[in-house]
Amino acid sequence: KAGVTQTPRYLIKTRGQQVTLSCSPISGHRSVSWYQQTPGQGLQFLFEYFSETQRNKGNFPGRFSGRQFSNSRSEMNVSTLELGDSALYLCASSFSPGVYEQYFGPGTRLTVT
Amino acid sequence: GQQLNQSPQSMFIQEGEDVSMNCTSSSIFNTWLWYKQDPGEGPVLLIALYKAGELTSNGRLTAQFGITRKDSFLNISASIPSDVGIYFCAGHFTSGTYKYIFGTGTRLKVLA
Repeated sequence: KAGVTQTPRYLIKTRGQQVTLSCSPISGHRSVSWYQQTPGQGLQFLFEYFSETQRNKGNFPGRFSGRQFSNSRSEMNVSTLELGDSALYLCASSFSPGVYEQYFGPGTRLTVT
Repeated sequence: GQQLNQSPQSMFIQEGEDVSMNCTSSSIFNTWLWYKQDPGEGPVLLIALYKAGELTSNGRLTAQFGITRKDSFLNISASIPSDVGIYFCAGHFTSGTYKYIFGTGTRLKVLA
């Protein structure tokens, strides 16, 4: 069974631009979570989607948003990029929010210049 | 952001040695997960623990869910060079929302 896929793998953007990242969960998984990973802050939870609804949100500004489609694929968007948004963005899927085993994708490395 | 205390922060060991690391929290969790992350890749799930006191093995890896539900331990026996990487614990919150809190990571380096 194919794992979690994320596209693109690498991205370079300029301050002030916006970016959209995509995540396809493991087949059959309906819950998708997004995380930001930086050397200083580690892995930080952004938000979780299930059945096209955002169920939980971490402590990030409103510039970070996401959505989930009917096929469980998810996208996250960051508007008005700042230098501090440079990070590895990871997507994780699980069967449902109540099933605790999450499986991560390879991540999208975003660099903001 | 919120992170769990994980120790040691890093360790160098000789091939064949056993390794121990732990994760502590001020909060109670109902699930603990252990992941390994290689450079440039996403974390890979190693072991999941669901009950206080539970001891679970996956090959050379053994993890335990602390009795207080505020800590967890991971042991790697007879380490090999491919064990190199960063190991993360993650606790799943019991109250309020469903979300994971991750540890600060333990960087493991194995000397052949």
